[in-house]
Order: sequence, then C-alpha cells, then structure tokens
Amino acid sequence: EVQLVESGGGLVQPGGSLRLSCAASGFTFNTYDMHWVRQTTGGNLEWVAGIGTAGDTYYPDSVKGRFTISRENAKNSLYLQMNSLSAGDTAVYYCARVPPEIGNWYFDLWGRGALVTVSS
Amino acid sequence: DIQMTQSPSSLSGSVGDRVTITCRASQSISAYLNWYQQRSGKAPKLLIYAATRLQSGVPSRFSGSLSGTDFTLTISSLQPEDFATYYCQQSYSVPATFGGGTKVEIK
Repeated sequence: EVQLVESGGGLVQPGGSLRLSCAASGFTFNTYDMHWVRQTTGGNLEWVAGIGTAGDTYYPDSVKGRFTISRENAKNSLYLQMNSLSAGDTAVYYCARVPPEIGNWYFDLWGRGALVTVSS
Repeated sequence: DIQMTQSPSSLSGSVGDRVTITCRASQSISAYLNWYQQRSGKAPKLLIYAATRLQSGVPSRFSGSLSGTDFTLTISSLQPEDFATYYCQQSYSVPATFGGGTKVEIK
C-alpha cells in the first residue's frame, strides 16, 4: 500500500526541540521530492520544509534556521528536526510527497499527521 | 510571498447543487494552482493540479478553471461525501502558500 506514516509528535516546552519522522512505503521513495506541511488549530495550512531527490533543501523564513529537513533513502524515511520551538509552532505536521514534475510543487500523497503541541 | 485569497470562507449547499469556490493570487502564478479537499479529521487530498488537471481517481464532477489570477473550483453536482473544507495552493514560487479554506456545509 502506498502510504506515509508520521511519528514523533508530542508535547514540548517552549524553547525545546522535537524530531518528527515519516516512514514511506509502496513507492520508490528516492525518486520523489518530500515535504512537510503543517496545519494550525485554526485550520490554516503552512508549508514548512522541502527536500529534493539530490538532498537540496527549502524552507520558508518562518522556520529557517530552526527547522532542518533530511531524508534517509535506504530507510525510506523523512525527518524534520525542530529546534527553538514556540507556541506558534503548535500544529499537526503532515509529511507530503511531490510527484516528479519539474518546478511544480503539488502534494499528491499525505500522511495522517503528527500533532506537535508547544506549551509549558 | 504570494498571498492566496479564497472566497467564500464557507457556503451551504444541498445534494445536487452546483458549487463554485474562488481563489485569487496576489500576483501572476500562471497555472501553478492546486486544489485540495479535507474531510473532518483527515489529511488533505489532492483534487486538481496545474489549475485544470484532474488528479487520478477524483470524480469528474470536480473541475478547475482559471482567468488571469483568479482560479475556480467547481463541483457540478454536490454529493454527500463532498461536504468538506477545500484549499487552494500556489506552486509558482517558494514558499508554497495556501488559501484560508472554504468550508462546504449541508444546507
């Protein structure tokens, strides 16, 4: 079955760190760009990180310098290291796949999401 | 960053209704516009990509169109499973950005 499964979410204090993982199965992981998208409790969707098949990485200004995306193709896994977390980072974090269409980031497969809550 | 403005933020419809949702980009994005459906408690699901192209497996009652910086998602005949929230997303430039969503509710 083609799927993405996130893990590693939970409660973390402000200023703390958390690492999310995403396990991919059912497709050739190393041929796809992979991304993280988060959704706040208000329902807003925000793209937070992307990584290409060659390991090139992309971030919006809101997380640049705090979040690091990485991949381990041998394990069909995607990661998101999140540091210096604040309440504004509280959200459900989705792992998402981008089909190999050059220059067009649309997300054709999503995981079920991992809830990250930043609170003291 | 490119701002995506969706309208309306919510609408009520009956089964069989024709429904239209609009998304406006703050600048030209060519046809780099994608639509997603999110049912309650579930992850978003891709419906339309590149403004008009139907994702595999998506019913043909869904369609997308564009006119300049205005994009439209149309559901030709609303079905019970279509009651959900719909989001647009631009993929023209980094960062990718989403609209605020349109909740389609049962009248």
